[in-house]
Amino acid sequence: EAGVTQFPSHSVIEKGQTVTLRCDPISGHDNLYWYRRVMGKEIKFLLHFVKESKQDESGMPNNRFLAERTGGTYSTLKVQPAELEDSGVYFCASSQRQVPGLGHEQFFGPGTRLTVL
Amino acid sequence: AQSVTQLDSQVPVFEEAPVELRCNYSSSVSVYLFWYVQYPNQGLQLLLKYLSGSTLVKGINGFEAEFNKSQTSFHLRKPSVHISDTAEYFCAVSSKAAGNKLTFGGGTRVLVKP
Repeated sequence: EAGVTQFPSHSVIEKGQTVTLRCDPISGHDNLYWYRRVMGKEIKFLLHFVKESKQDESGMPNNRFLAERTGGTYSTLKVQPAELEDSGVYFCASSQRQVPGLGHEQFFGPGTRLTVL
Repeated sequence: AQSVTQLDSQVPVFEEAPVELRCNYSSSVSVYLFWYVQYPNQGLQLLLKYLSGSTLVKGINGFEAEFNKSQTSFHLRKPSVHISDTAEYFCAVSSKAAGNKLTFGGGTRVLVKP
């Protein structure tokens, strides 16, 4: 079974440009999460989808960030316009629908390293 | 609100020696606890988790952790490390009340020396 995949693995852009990150969760996983790790800081939650609906977007830094999950499958995270402080590693994770005893385990993708110059 | 503190940012250790990585958490509700590992140039991989039941949890690669509710700790241990255990380790908590989103500690880099 394929794991969580993310594209691109690296992205280098200039301040003011737009970047779109993509995440493909494990097939059948209803829950999809985005996290970010800024250099030297802890990994922080950005938002959570249940199928195509945003369940919690309390971690989104500001309105330059827009996340979508088309048809409850893959998700995109767009940053427009990018700023220097947006640099970091963006992780996507997915998990099954919450069933007692089955887990709450989130499976992570390899991350996208974003550098804004 | 919930928070996680990993008390050591870096831990150097010799091969075949034991290692303990400390994790303390704070939460006003019942939590689930996790340890993830990130090997160089890879994503996060789950080492072990505590959801309920026995407070001693065994994970992959010979790691184990003990949940201590009174001390709000979830320390990770391995009795004998290998060079291949060189990685960054993250402690995390989640809760139903917080929608199961993970709150991470700052990470502990383990460097295993020959």
